Amino acid sequence: QKEVEQNSGPLSVPEGAIASLNCTYSDRGSQSFFWYRQYSGKSPELIMFIYSNGDKEDGRFTAQLNKASQYVSLLIRDSQPSDSATYLCAVDNTDKLIFGTGTRLQVFP
Amino acid sequence: ETGVTQSPTHLIKTRGQQVTLRCSSQSGHNTVSWYQQALGQGPQFIFQYYREEENGRGNFPPRFSGLQFPNYSSELNVNALELDDSALYLCASSLGTFYNSPLHFGNGTRLTVT
Repeated sequence: QKEVEQNSGPLSVPEGAIASLNCTYSDRGSQSFFWYRQYSGKSPELIMFIYSNGDKEDGRFTAQLNKASQYVSLLIRDSQPSDSATYLCAVDNTDKLIFGTGTRLQVFP
Repeated sequence: ETGVTQSPTHLIKTRGQQVTLRCSSQSGHNTVSWYQQALGQGPQFIFQYYREEENGRGNFPPRFSGLQFPNYSSELNVNALELDDSALYLCASSLGTFYNSPLHFGNGTRLTVT
């Protein structure tokens, strides 16, 4: 079982729709959860982090955490073509961050 | 505030050679983490340095080694390069634990081994 799992996609959504990206993790001891956006050929860019169960909102982005289900999600409201990228979920594992393989999001006009 | 900088941006090496990649951490950050990202994969943790000591290592062979200097900059050295070492190498700095200081990545070094 992979430590952090994401659907590789692509997830295709129309402009203006809500994109929902999901991630599951295996280590129940994990405390910190992160979402990174990565454009093709570029390095990952931090979008959101969440530490507590529930929702955390920042602009068009909402991160959701359910530790009991070992599940993290990222919602992107009013999706724009510029949101088209790969979204990486990362989870802390003692002294390191473990990344999923990423979900490729495509927002079409 | 200066972000994380990496050099060089691109590098082409031949199998069996050695390579050194460099990273300057963000101002005030004392921890540097190195990741390898192969095409189509997520970043894989290589190792982390805290106050000049290795503080955690991923599943990479000993030919991957590193250093951290008193100014918290860091080097990643790879000996006896193999074709599978071709990847984007990412450096990220932080201050303390991930709980207090999310990782911010540099622009990466694209290594091609032929």
